[in-house]
Amino acid sequence: EADIYQTPRYLVIGTGKKITLECSQTMGHDKMYWYQQDPGMELHLIHYSYGVNSTEKGDLSSESTVSRIRTEHFPLTLESARPSHTSQYLCASSELDRVVTGELFFGEGSRLTVL
Amino acid sequence: GESVGLHLPTLSVQEGDNSIINCAYSNSASDYFIWYKQESGKGPQFIIDIRSNMDKRQGQRVTVLLNKTVKHLSLQIAATQPGDSAVYFCAENPRTGRRALTFGSGTRLQVQP
Repeated sequence: EADIYQTPRYLVIGTGKKITLECSQTMGHDKMYWYQQDPGMELHLIHYSYGVNSTEKGDLSSESTVSRIRTEHFPLTLESARPSHTSQYLCASSELDRVVTGELFFGEGSRLTVL
Repeated sequence: GESVGLHLPTLSVQEGDNSIINCAYSNSASDYFIWYKQESGKGPQFIIDIRSNMDKRQGQRVTVLLNKTVKHLSLQIAATQPGDSAVYFCAENPRTGRRALTFGSGTRLQVQP
């Protein structure tokens, strides 16, 4: 059982609101990721981090931002939500020596709906 | 550009039969190929990986085959059970650079009782 937690699980908000999706892991993993996934579709990398104070953008152009002040915490923020941001957001982490093999531990996701 | 895609969007099998899920990839520079299982309402779960210098790897009830000549990856599940019903994703991990997975579109496996 993976020890990685995402909150909220479900969120419905209006356009223009600022939101933060929380992600925490208790495994001491250095590398963390945010993926965006539409229902039944592939995952798209939007942000990743190698460790504290390290953040990088992924493949998918995203208006979100992330921070990594503590190893266990990797929140994702949308300053002004729009309907196009409606999606599922998945957080994941991995040990550095598992980065090569691609073994990621995923949270259960935050499903965001912007009206 | 890089792409990882799956041949079949939905696969329906009888309980007890073997399942084969296929995946095509285009990036020859990938170091590892990985299969993930995603159950409804959950995040993906790692199943098995295979390094690019291998052709076959076996796990518990699962076997992954890698054919580099045709850039094809498959996941075989023996004696499929109802608990195997999920969406399966293949992913590839590049040999260099950021080491972030590229996922393909999923195949939904439906196990009929």
